[in-house]
Amino acid sequence: DIVMTQSPDSLAVSLGERATINCKSSQSILNSSNNKNYLGWYQQKPGQPPKLLIYWASTRESGVPDRFSGSGSGTDFSLTISSLQAEDVAVYYCQQFFAIPITFGGGTRVDFK
Amino acid sequence: EVQLVQSGGGLVQPGGSQRLSCAASGFAFRKFWMYWIRQAPGKGLVWVSGIDSEGSVTTYADSVKGRFTISRDNAKNTLYLQINSLRAEDTATYFCGRVAGPIDLWGQGTLVTVSS
Repeated sequence: DIVMTQSPDSLAVSLGERATINCKSSQSILNSSNNKNYLGWYQQKPGQPPKLLIYWASTRESGVPDRFSGSGSGTDFSLTISSLQAEDVAVYYCQQFFAIPITFGGGTRVDFK
Repeated sequence: EVQLVQSGGGLVQPGGSQRLSCAASGFAFRKFWMYWIRQAPGKGLVWVSGIDSEGSVTTYADSVKGRFTISRDNAKNTLYLQINSLRAEDTATYFCGRVAGPIDLWGQGTLVTVSS
């Protein structure tokens, strides 16, 4: 199975400041035939299902604010919130969909400093 | 409206069974792979099972293989998860999800609590 490792476990950021979450896969999740990284990022608020933010490592889902961005390739990825807003307080997960079983990172809790 | 609405779940004794349902609406359910994902209280997301668009290919996490059965009825636009021989460690919120590469649509979740 592909192991997804997120860091940090939690992050406290001031309102309007930048937050960066890292995600590392135990093997490459880049498909060389289409040059796509099979990596998604999700946001989960208490009592709610996860919400897809980013897929193919850097493509923003429709309706997601542009302060959310994804980057990386191969085995190392990151999610950046350029200017933290109140509604961004949540747990964030990365997920690989390169192979079954799909696997998730352990989650990063983002809160206000 | 494009949505997945879940039903089922609740309190069940160890060794018992439950059937979870996930009703799809607003999209061509028959065209998509579907997953079940679970989340133990206060923990992260774990993939449980998947089924192809026609219902002919099924896959399971090792932890549930032989105890859980995924199925679908495309005529009813509904996904199912039959969960048998339940253990305390199966206590979790179970989510259904539409597969579009990533999981782009999630059900609201249903809590299964295994306890005597």
